[in-house]
Amino acid sequence: SAVISQKPSRDICQRGTSLTIQCQVDSQVTMMFWYRQQPGQSLTLIATANQGSEATYESGFVIDKFPISRPNLTFSTLTVSNMSPEDSSIYLCSVVLGSYGYTFGSGTRLTVV
Amino acid sequence: GDSVTQMEGPVTLSEEAFLTINCTYTATGYPSLFWYVQYPGEGLQLLLKATKADDKGSNKGFEATYRKETTSFHLEKGSVQVSDSAVYFCALLTGNQFYFGTGTSLTVIP
Repeated sequence: SAVISQKPSRDICQRGTSLTIQCQVDSQVTMMFWYRQQPGQSLTLIATANQGSEATYESGFVIDKFPISRPNLTFSTLTVSNMSPEDSSIYLCSVVLGSYGYTFGSGTRLTVV
Repeated sequence: GDSVTQMEGPVTLSEEAFLTINCTYTATGYPSLFWYVQYPGEGLQLLLKATKADDKGSNKGFEATYRKETTSFHLEKGSVQVSDSAVYFCALLTGNQFYFGTGTSLTVIP
């Protein structure tokens, strides 16, 4: 299965600032996914990122708040913009391996103060 | 729509106890089913999977059988260890859409 490197692993940020999270995969993949896991809750899909096209956002998530880049088949970034304490979560990137499921990065634990 | 319903926690067991975490699903079509585990401070790791009815996924002493007739994928382990303390997520994959349960926190005490 693919190996995913995600960074930073954690950060504490001031409200109103932005944080960009990077996700590097060791093999080329068509689709990359970004999830949010709020404290004590399950994962929620933010968006799906395909190389060469705009990301597709799920209901409740917008590009202005969570811009995503996908410049090639092994890399993606998610930016959390104009942060507020409600954005404190774990953010995870993931890649799909056909019908065998997803491989997840180790996550970025974000705290907004 | 498609969804996963997972037993709520937290669950606390003594070492060597038997573990069952219930998971049922609702899906159109024929999803693949998964259990993921999240150890403290880490990301999700695939624990086991089953891609069709009656398949049994197994790993690290954990097992789950894909039961189409009861739309279930319950996770079991015969003898838990302290190192099994984690949050367990049931999930289904249909097309490229993943649906996660809410997670069940397991604590195993010596």
